[in-house]
Amino acid sequence: KNEVEQSPQNLTAQEGEFITINCSYSVGISALHWLQQHPGGGIVSLFMLSSGKKKHGRLIATINIQEKHSSLHITASHPRDSAVYICAVLPPSGTYKYIFGTGTRLKVLA
Amino acid sequence: DTGVSQNPRHKITKRGQNVTFRCDPISEHNRLYWYRQTLGQGPEFLTYFQNEAQLEKSRLLSDRFSAERPKGSFSTLEIQRTEQGDSAMYLCASSLGAGGPNIQYFGAGTRLSVL
Repeated sequence: KNEVEQSPQNLTAQEGEFITINCSYSVGISALHWLQQHPGGGIVSLFMLSSGKKKHGRLIATINIQEKHSSLHITASHPRDSAVYICAVLPPSGTYKYIFGTGTRLKVLA
Repeated sequence: DTGVSQNPRHKITKRGQNVTFRCDPISEHNRLYWYRQTLGQGPEFLTYFQNEAQLEKSRLLSDRFSAERPKGSFSTLEIQRTEQGDSAMYLCASSLGAGGPNIQYFGAGTRLSVL
């Protein structure tokens, strides 16, 4: 079993829909990072969370440390949101290696 | 600053050839990481530098792989005698090691295809 699990693995939505991507992890962490990867490979940082909730534009990320769970929400989805969304956790101090989920492939149809 | 830069973006090579990739981190970042990502998977850690010192290497990094960061700035990743299984996206990231969350910033990656 992977230490970081994402669900769903694939998601197709219609433009305008509210989207939720989930990340569960089984290790202790100091922070959790949501990343976006477009076709072609480049990875863009969306949010770094250690508690609570963050919002940027149409994106909202939440984390529940006790439940070891984070969600990424996209409101009013748009075809340009189509990408792979990756959850990465950072274990407590002493290591700098991210542990990555396998990603959620999102396709938003016009 | 233009962020983390990786070259080349794509590399096609024949099995058995050697390849070298370059990563230029964000200028003030002292930490640099290499990851490998195969199709449909999340990135996997390969190695990590703090300044010029290579502090950690994954078991994924076989003897055919070598990484350097000679002056603590740019880094190179060399694969000798490439195999078809080496085909992947090679990602570089950098971070500022000054305490607090270790936010890593990623380059666009180098996609390697071994024929």
